[in-house]
Amino acid sequence: DTAVSQTPKYLVTQMGNDKSIKCEQNLGHDTMYWYKQDSKKFLKIMFSYNNKELIINETVPNRFSPKSPDKAHLNLHINSLELGDSAVYFCASSQEAGGWTDTQYFGPGTRLTVL
Amino acid sequence: DQQVKQNSPSLSVQEGRISILNCDYTNSMFDYFLWYKKYPAEGPTFLISISSIKDKNEDGRFTVFLNKSAKHLSLHIVPSQPGDSAVYFCAAVSGTYKYIFGTGTRLKVLA
Repeated sequence: DTAVSQTPKYLVTQMGNDKSIKCEQNLGHDTMYWYKQDSKKFLKIMFSYNNKELIINETVPNRFSPKSPDKAHLNLHINSLELGDSAVYFCASSQEAGGWTDTQYFGPGTRLTVL
Repeated sequence: DQQVKQNSPSLSVQEGRISILNCDYTNSMFDYFLWYKKYPAEGPTFLISISSIKDKNEDGRFTVFLNKSAKHLSLHIVPSQPGDSAVYFCAAVSGTYKYIFGTGTRLKVLA
């Protein structure tokens, strides 16, 4: 029973295309996140939603637009894909509003390759 | 600007010995710290955390030490097992929700 799932696992596409990555969590968590892990292995937060409201929006090009239809889903839509968007994108979720006993649960990642 | 650094990209340890993974940070305002473990083609999984008001937290074979004056965090695994071979990320949290990750250290435990 997968706690945080992402689809697709792999995505290969051409520059200029628009694509979406979907994320679902069945943990009943209130908060969901998108991270990008680039070629240097940095894992950087992009967005966070709490109860469908945007609470973290890092310096990310506005070609990236998250959408949270409900608490269990946080999708990432990317317009006009560029070569530099190639990375592994991880979705995560957590229950509490911070605190050291809180932790984030990660999905398996989506490897995006832009040609 | 890297606020969280893991300066050793890799580490090899014999099975049964101690593994020590290190992490340095620059922001003294971080509230707590976590270690995550990541296997290939999987997402990171939570291992252990520590509040900034503590200096040690232990969970089974895993102990995290925090030295606030040195802005240094370490994870000790004793005894190391082959199944511990993975990439380990430290993360620091400031305020609510926002995790800042290091670049990871690849641990290889040799049988």
